[in-house]
Formats: sequence, structure tokens, C-alpha cells
Amino acid sequence: GAGVSQTPSNKVTEKGKYVELRCDPISGHTALYWYRQSLGQGPEFLIYFQGTGAADDSGLPNDRFFAVRPEGSVSTLKIQRTERGDSAVYLCASSLKGGPSNTGELFFGEGSRLTVL
Amino acid sequence: RKEVEQDPGPFNVPEGATVAFNCTYSNSASQSFFWYRQDCRKEPKLLMSVYSSGNEDGRFTAQLNRASQYISLLIRDSKLSDSATYLCVVKYEGDYKLSFGAGTTVTVRA
Repeated sequence: GAGVSQTPSNKVTEKGKYVELRCDPISGHTALYWYRQSLGQGPEFLIYFQGTGAADDSGLPNDRFFAVRPEGSVSTLKIQRTERGDSAVYLCASSLKGGPSNTGELFFGEGSRLTVL
Repeated sequence: RKEVEQDPGPFNVPEGATVAFNCTYSNSASQSFFWYRQDCRKEPKLLMSVYSSGNEDGRFTAQLNRASQYISLLIRDSKLSDSATYLCVVKYEGDYKLSFGAGTTVTVRA
């Protein structure tokens, strides 16, 4: 499809385990964002990539969270030593342009629902 | 205090009714404003941008009041398909990210 693709759609893991969530943005979109959405809340910013580099990772809650985008397309969000509080829907979004040129339209994937038992 | 605050609702309205709700933002450096729509267990999608002079898109009207730091969304002639959560979104000058409110839930009943 032509939209943002995220895998897995659902992930159940045990406390302390390591998880990887993958995002395949819309082709040609240079800007990629990760957000996290908990029940009853709006999406919370985690990290923003412009190309291969993380231009803003100020939203990552702690050093257990890390994200990469090695070739400027697919991105992986990595969570080490998962905790129950990490349970949420992790949303990836892309846009044609990032930074100040961003028109405000982000195209979101359907998200990866993470449950930590 | 949250950067973007919304009345969570829910607003339960009959078909054909008008419903309106606001969103307040705390940072006066906010530059751009948007309404996103999110259906249950689906991803957010851009509904409309909000311009300083106010703007309409069909049955939807958005207003911005910079002095009081709030934006509003009005839905006329509500349809069942308008049932969703409406997310208020701000972008700060020189920033890269969008900041989302927690959303206002609207349920339109037959």
C-alpha cells in the first residue's frame, strides 16, 4: 500500500524483555516521527528524524528507548527492559517535509499496540 | 499544566445538531494550529488547518483566538459518521514536532 506501514500491529511481551517496532514510511517522505499514545490521551512525541539523523529525540522518556533510521527510510524503535508502563500504542508518522517547512500534515500508520505483562 | 488542553467530552448529539468545542494552548509562541480526527482504534488523520481569520471546510468551521489562546471547532448538521475523537494540535515556531491534546470525543446518535 501507499500509506505508512507499521509492524507488528500487536505485541505482547513480558516485563524486562526487549522489543523492536518497525515503521515503513510513505516513499519519498524525508521526515519521520514516532509518537506514543496511551488510553484516553493524545499522541505524545518521542523522536523526529530528518533523513537518517535524529533531529530531535527530546521526547524519549529514558535511555531504555532508542530509535534508528539507518538508510533514511525504514525506522525501528527499540525498547530495552520493558516495563508495564511502556504499554501503549506506538504511532509512526511521516511527512514530505520536516522542520519549519512542515505543513502540519503528518501521515500516521495504524500503530503498534504494545502490551507489557 | 499541559501544553494543549481539551474538554474530553463526550459530547452526545443527535443527527443534524450543531456541536462546538474548544481547545486552549499555553505557549504563546504557538504558530500553527490544526484539528485532527481519530476514529476508535485507528490512526489520527488531519481534518483541517486553522487559520487566523477562521476557516470553513464544508460543515466544519475552525476559529483561532490568539489573544485568549484558544481554538475552536464547530460541526454543523452532524452526521453519524462524525462520531470520533477530535484532537487539537499546535506547532511552535521553529519547532519540528506537533503537540497533541488529549482529544474531545463526539458521539452522534440517530
